[in-house]
Amino acid sequence: AQSVTQPDIHITVSEGASLELRCNYSYGATPYLFWYVQSPGQGLQLLLKYFSGDTLVQGIKGFEAEFKRSQSSFNLRKPSVHWSDAAEYFCAVGGGDDKIIFGKGTRLHILP
Amino acid sequence: EPEVTQTPSHQVTQMGQEVILRCVPISNHLYFYWYRQILGQKVEFLVSFYNNEISEKSEIFDDQFSVERPDGSNFTLKIRSTKLEDSAMYFCASSRQGGRTNTEAFFGQGTRLTVV
Repeated sequence: AQSVTQPDIHITVSEGASLELRCNYSYGATPYLFWYVQSPGQGLQLLLKYFSGDTLVQGIKGFEAEFKRSQSSFNLRKPSVHWSDAAEYFCAVGGGDDKIIFGKGTRLHILP
Repeated sequence: EPEVTQTPSHQVTQMGQEVILRCVPISNHLYFYWYRQILGQKVEFLVSFYNNEISEKSEIFDDQFSVERPDGSNFTLKIRSTKLEDSAMYFCASSRQGGRTNTEAFFGQGTRLTVV
């Protein structure tokens, strides 16, 4: 069965510091992988996606993620975070049917 | 930029009452979805809908739930007799394609349902 694991429930980084949010997935074939961001009281916004090709994908707001098949990972990175990046981040996998399976999310806190 | 619109943004209802959550998907999209997020938990798939019928549903989507596309633009989720545990944020989503060709689903802002 498809599943997504985000091992970190909370992450705190200082403004200007680099960020990496971890995501591991379980899926039998080549997955579609997504990162969504949810700001407080807001909906889900797609940051980036991978479905084929270059394993390093660029997204909005300066985020990038790298698909590593050997590690079943799709970690999200940003070289320098801004206070406005404080939000909840969801990794998700889609596959052979219509639904997207989400991880439990990682809440990002930014220290001034 | 086209977007998925959900109404209302908040709904409070008494236990046992029926609620209808409304969504207007992006106009040229063909696949529609409902997800829910119980406070503090992950986003969970409820149901997908295509060609005027349910294409897939989760075990959460029991007989208390139903979906409908009544007029070609709206997509609704009905909960027939709400329970306290139905309190959650409900997200509608739509995509142009589904299955392995679905590379992006657009999500609405959500409806926060509180059952009291």
